Amino acid sequence: QKEVEQNSGPLSVPEGAIASLNCTYSDRGSQSFFWYRQYSGKSPELIMFIYSNGDKEDGRFTAQLNKASQYVSLLIRDSQPSDSATYLCAVNPIGYGQNFVFGPGTRLSVLP
Amino acid sequence: DAGVIQSPRHEVTEMGQEVTLRCKPISGHNSLFWYRQTMMRGLELLIYFNNNVPIDDSGMPEDRFSAKMPNASFSTLKIQPSEPRDSAVYFCASSFTEAFFGQGTRLTVV
Repeated sequence: QKEVEQNSGPLSVPEGAIASLNCTYSDRGSQSFFWYRQYSGKSPELIMFIYSNGDKEDGRFTAQLNKASQYVSLLIRDSQPSDSATYLCAVNPIGYGQNFVFGPGTRLSVLP
Repeated sequence: DAGVIQSPRHEVTEMGQEVTLRCKPISGHNSLFWYRQTMMRGLELLIYFNNNVPIDDSGMPEDRFSAKMPNASFSTLKIQPSEPRDSAVYFCASSFTEAFFGQGTRLTVV
């Protein structure tokens, strides 16, 4: 059973702070990792993907991957109220072709 | 590209009726996914196609659900007969390396 786990939240941070979202996965052979943002009533939107150990930065977002620890995180710097959403972690396990396993999501609330 | 296109956006139907959801994937993508999302169960994979061939349908709840992909640019998800517990948002997604979602169909079965 391929599993992806996230804290359901809600995670509340003040505006301007760093929000840290975490995800662990069970399949050690997983190759690709994705973060999606989903606003209430909307569809999931891809915001970051990472394939190699280390950090990947895109604007205010940084994805961090540690395959040895089976851990991937998303940091949001200078959090804005517009970042308030549910963040879904997705993993492409080895042998799954192009299938994806999604975590349950973490609800983030950025307080003005 | 217009992205993944789903229709209808909203569907209200009576229990026992047949429901057909439609999806047009992004051109050039070779994988297509149908997901169902509810508050209780989150995002669940129903079925996954690769190059128009169903690869994994283990998430399809029961025989009332069926999905087809007759060509690379069109897929359907059919529920017959529908039941109130099928009420959910159904998403179609397509991918080549990363998955992109359509806007979803909100299904209400009364």
